[in-house]
Amino acid sequence: GENVEQHPSTLSVQEGDSAVIKCTYSDSASNYFPWYKQELGKRPQLIIDIRSNVGEKKDQRIAVTLNKTAKHFSLHITETQPEDSAVYFCAASLRNTDKLIFGTGTRLQVFP
Amino acid sequence: DTAVSQTPKYLVTQMGNDKSIKCEQNLGHDTMYWYKQDSKKFLKIMFSYNNKELIINETVPNRFSPKSPDKAHLNLHINSLELGDSAVYFCASSLLGADSGNTIYFGEGSWLTVV
Repeated sequence: GENVEQHPSTLSVQEGDSAVIKCTYSDSASNYFPWYKQELGKRPQLIIDIRSNVGEKKDQRIAVTLNKTAKHFSLHITETQPEDSAVYFCAASLRNTDKLIFGTGTRLQVFP
Repeated sequence: DTAVSQTPKYLVTQMGNDKSIKCEQNLGHDTMYWYKQDSKKFLKIMFSYNNKELIINETVPNRFSPKSPDKAHLNLHINSLELGDSAVYFCASSLLGADSGNTIYFGEGSWLTVV
């Protein structure tokens, strides 16, 4: 069945460093790949997304890359700040369904 | 002016009880969802409704029954609660289905604790 793997499960970086989170998906029909940020005790919120016809997308300090051939996509955060500390989830949608499959989450800690 | 609102936010109840969580969205979206987030933070879809019609029903016990009186509301009723039902339940909505690339907006979550 459909599956989204996410690595690493935890990531600690120093403020100002970059952070990279990687995800792989199993269904080649997946065509939409959002990333959500969930702060402690809060709801998941979309931070960036990418569609299957695009290889890279950037929004200020956040970028996402997609490799359809290898079926993996990554989140890149540059110049990390303590407020970037949260759990990040990747997700992949399946064509012609309403299903969004989430990765297992990455707990990012940014130390000042 | 909350986009997706769900009540109650916290719910502590005994095993065997029946409880409901209500959800409403004022975004004019056609699709609504229930997701479950367990203690390990895994987010799993439970149900999806499009314009009041059930679209997705994952492998969820029959004790869980969603009800959508109109496309702006999707309530979740749980019968005979068990300890393993303890989790955070997120209601969510999107303009169309997830495969359309529409953003899914989550509610604030309902923390259910079964004792």
